[in-house]
Amino acid sequence: DAKTTQPPSMDCAEGRAANLPCNHSTISGNEYVYWYRQIHSQGPQYIIHGLKNNETNEMASLIITEDRKSSTLILPHATLRDTAVYYCIVRSLNTGNQFYFGTGTSLTVIP
Amino acid sequence: SAVISQKPSRDICQRGTSLTIQCQVDSQVTMMFWYRQQPGQSLTLIATANQGSEATYESGFVIDKFPISRPNLTFSTLTVSNMSPEDSSIYLCSVRSTESSGNTIYFGEGSWLTVV
Repeated sequence: DAKTTQPPSMDCAEGRAANLPCNHSTISGNEYVYWYRQIHSQGPQYIIHGLKNNETNEMASLIITEDRKSSTLILPHATLRDTAVYYCIVRSLNTGNQFYFGTGTSLTVIP
Repeated sequence: SAVISQKPSRDICQRGTSLTIQCQVDSQVTMMFWYRQQPGQSLTLIATANQGSEATYESGFVIDKFPISRPNLTFSTLTVSNMSPEDSSIYLCSVRSTESSGNTIYFGEGSWLTVV
C-alpha cells in the first residue's frame, strides 16, 4: 500500500482556513486519496475523496497536486467543532476494499 | 450513509473473560470490517467480515482471539476472547454499501472496552 505522511499536529484560529497537508509520493495512478476525521470519543467520519481533480463538498475542499504526490485538505472557516484528528488515506485497489489508517494530524482550532 | 449501531457502547471486563460486540446496520451492505483503536493510537484493521464464510484476518490477528460472525448482510459480531489489559481498546465496526460513492466506508461509534 502507498504510505502517507502527515504532520502530527497543527493549530488553526477559529474562523480561518485550516490547511492540512498530506504526502503520498508513492501513490499509484488508480489510487484515490481519502480524508476522514475523528472527533474525540466518536467513530471516524468521512470527509471527502479524490483521484486527480480538486474536489469540494459541504465540509471541505481537497486539492491534489498535478503529480499526485501530495494533497491538501482545506476547511474554509474552521470552527471549534472541527478540532479532531484528520486522517489522509490512500486506498490500494490491490487489497480490495480495505482502508489502512496512518497516524493522522491532530488539528486544534483555537478560539 | 448507513446507520451503524454497536453494542455495547462501553464495558469493563475481567481479564480472562470474553466479550462479544454486535454491529447492526440499517440497510444491507456489501462489506463489513472490524477495527481496533488502542489508547492514543490510530485505527488498526482487524479483519473483513465475510457474509456466509470465514472472516479474512489481517496480519497479527487470529480467529481464536477475535472470532467474527456475519450471518447476514446487516449484522456482524466480534468476540474478544480471553481478554488481557492489552485488549483495552475501542473496537469499531465499519461498512461499505453499494451506495457508497467512491467505495467509501462508514463507521459506528465504537465499543469502548476496558479490561481490568
